[in-house]
Amino acid sequence: KAGVTQTPRYLIKTRGQQVTLSCSPISGHRSVSWYQQTPGQGLQFLFEYFSETQRNKGNFPGRFSGRQFSNSRSEMNVSTLELGDSALYLCASSPDREVLYEQYFGPGTRLTVT
Amino acid sequence: QKEVEQDPGPLSVPEGAIVSLNCTYSNSAFQYFMWYRQYSRKGPELLMYTYSSGNKEDGRFTAQVDKSSKYISLFIRDSQPSDSATYLCAMSEDSGAGSYQLTFGKGTKLSVIP
Repeated sequence: KAGVTQTPRYLIKTRGQQVTLSCSPISGHRSVSWYQQTPGQGLQFLFEYFSETQRNKGNFPGRFSGRQFSNSRSEMNVSTLELGDSALYLCASSPDREVLYEQYFGPGTRLTVT
Repeated sequence: QKEVEQDPGPLSVPEGAIVSLNCTYSNSAFQYFMWYRQYSRKGPELLMYTYSSGNKEDGRFTAQVDKSSKYISLFIRDSQPSDSATYLCAMSEDSGAGSYQLTFGKGTKLSVIP
């Protein structure tokens, strides 16, 4: 079974721009979560999508948003980029919402904001 | 106080040593405890999970949970250079609590020296 895939793997953007990251979960997995990883803060939860609806949201500003499609693929968007948004953005999928202990991560998208 | 505390290391051990990695937490509602391994420039890889208290063994890896002390451990026996990575602990409440997200420690960087 193919793992979680994320595109693009690397991205360089300028302050003020906006960016869209894509995630394809493991086949059959219906829950998709997004995390931001930085050296200072570690892995922080952004939001979780299930059945095309955002079910849970972390403590991030409204500039961070996402969506999920009917095939469970998900995208996240960051508008008005700031230098502090430079991070590794990780997508994780699990079979269902109640099976978070089987959450599998993709390789991440490394975003650099200049 | 952070919800999950994990010594960042770095931890350096000789090949063949027994490695002990630990996390402490403050949220008594945590019921699922996971360990992830993350190689440089890769996404976290799920090693194993434990529900509530007790031990779980998988090959050279043993996870222990002591809920009375709010303390979890991962032991690696006969450590190999290929075990060199950052190890992240993660925790979640029972799905019935309505909190569908993982809370991570910041990770311990391990180096196994040949």
